[in-house]
Amino acid sequence: TQLLEQSPQFLSIQEGENLTVYCNSSSVFSSLQWYRQEPGEGPVLLVTVVTGGEVKKLKRLTFQFGDARKDSSLHITAAQPGDTGLYLCAGAKAGTALIFGKGTTLSVSS
Amino acid sequence: SQTIHQWPATLVQPVGSPLSLECTVEGTSNPNLYWYRQAAGRGLQLLFYSVGIGQISSEVPQNLSASRPQDRQFILSSKKLLLSDSGFYLCAWSGSVGHGIQYFGAGTRLSVL
Repeated sequence: TQLLEQSPQFLSIQEGENLTVYCNSSSVFSSLQWYRQEPGEGPVLLVTVVTGGEVKKLKRLTFQFGDARKDSSLHITAAQPGDTGLYLCAGAKAGTALIFGKGTTLSVSS
Repeated sequence: SQTIHQWPATLVQPVGSPLSLECTVEGTSNPNLYWYRQAAGRGLQLLFYSVGIGQISSEVPQNLSASRPQDRQFILSSKKLLLSDSGFYLCAWSGSVGHGIQYFGAGTRLSVL
């Protein structure tokens, strides 16, 4: 059973466009994390959201945690080729290891 | 600062041969340690995690095993590799199970031929 559904699976856009990636679940998480991974490397943590309704901004990236702590979104404004990569969300539940979504592969072309 | 080392970076092994991948963490004590496998461009499949020396939890039945002989050392092994064991293996550590931020190694690309 896939507890965290990420959409879309693939996204190919032009430089300067905006995009949103979604991470949805029927389960409640104590926190949710977003990672970015480049080919041949390990994922790198971007942000952790903890409070329902929380919004965090990291330069052109905006992360939001749903009010019920079941879903999250990542919005990128004016995407750049350097944003290309695999974006993974991961939910934390007490007593278990992080639960990862299957990822969204983003390709930004100039 | 904490660092995580994973080796080798790339490995090509014949079917039926043994496997040993090693992961070590520096700069922290009593970390939680994890082994993941990742299909190309996709999410992470948790294989094993450990909350202490000699304590191993297996998430998915595999042709693989894990051991934690020292506090900051985590080893992934197999007695006989299968073709289906090919993939990208990632080691990670965190400060606590469930809530911890996970820091990943650079990964090992395993090809079983």
